[in-house]
Amino acid sequence: DSGVTQTPKHLITATGQRVTLRCSPRSGDLSVYWYQQSLDQGLQFLIHYYNGEERAKGNILERFSAQQFPDLHSELNLSSLELGDSALYFCASSVASGGAADTQYFGPGTRLTVL
Amino acid sequence: AQSVTQLGSHVSVSEGALVLLRCNYSSSVPPYLFWYVQYPNQGLQLLLKYTTGATLVKGINGFEAEFKKSETSFHLTKPSAHMSDAAEYFCAVSPTYGGATNKLIFGTGTLLAVQP
Repeated sequence: DSGVTQTPKHLITATGQRVTLRCSPRSGDLSVYWYQQSLDQGLQFLIHYYNGEERAKGNILERFSAQQFPDLHSELNLSSLELGDSALYFCASSVASGGAADTQYFGPGTRLTVL
Repeated sequence: AQSVTQLGSHVSVSEGALVLLRCNYSSSVPPYLFWYVQYPNQGLQLLLKYTTGATLVKGINGFEAEFKKSETSFHLTKPSAHMSDAAEYFCAVSPTYGGATNKLIFGTGTLLAVQP
């Protein structure tokens, strides 16, 4: 158990819908990262928040957005869902925002299925 | 841009045999290097990482990896495979410069099968 929690574990929805994925980082971690794992794209970095502020964006679609709240939990919002958005979404957390000692710990993921 | 190449999407070994999973990176500046393992229906677990210092890094479950700058490689090895090692293994890099983010860039993964 990494200490990172993600809810829900599974999510099934229809095209065009909007969903919210939630992540609680390990106690004391200030950074939250979101990754998408799909069969065709592999594991891809989406976005990074540090202490409530966005630090970096990766291959994140404009239909997707995220935020980190004052209690440090984070939410990833996916809207106007398409079949291709079906994937496993991972959240990871780390103590800081970079540096040699800043290991990322991954949650168990949320499996999103868009029908 | 940094990238990671994992040679061999599927590797099969016999129980007790040497495990060798290959990883090469592309970067103008040596990045931080990581190996993660993903068991079926689970998240990623860190096996080991290289940041600075000793180039031979020991991780959990008997795995180790050696950073070779001249070869831009970070291959993962284990002397004797166990059935419980069957999983997917991901090599990843993270930039050492900037410090604004520690995002991970992953390879495509290697699925390790261990035959009895």
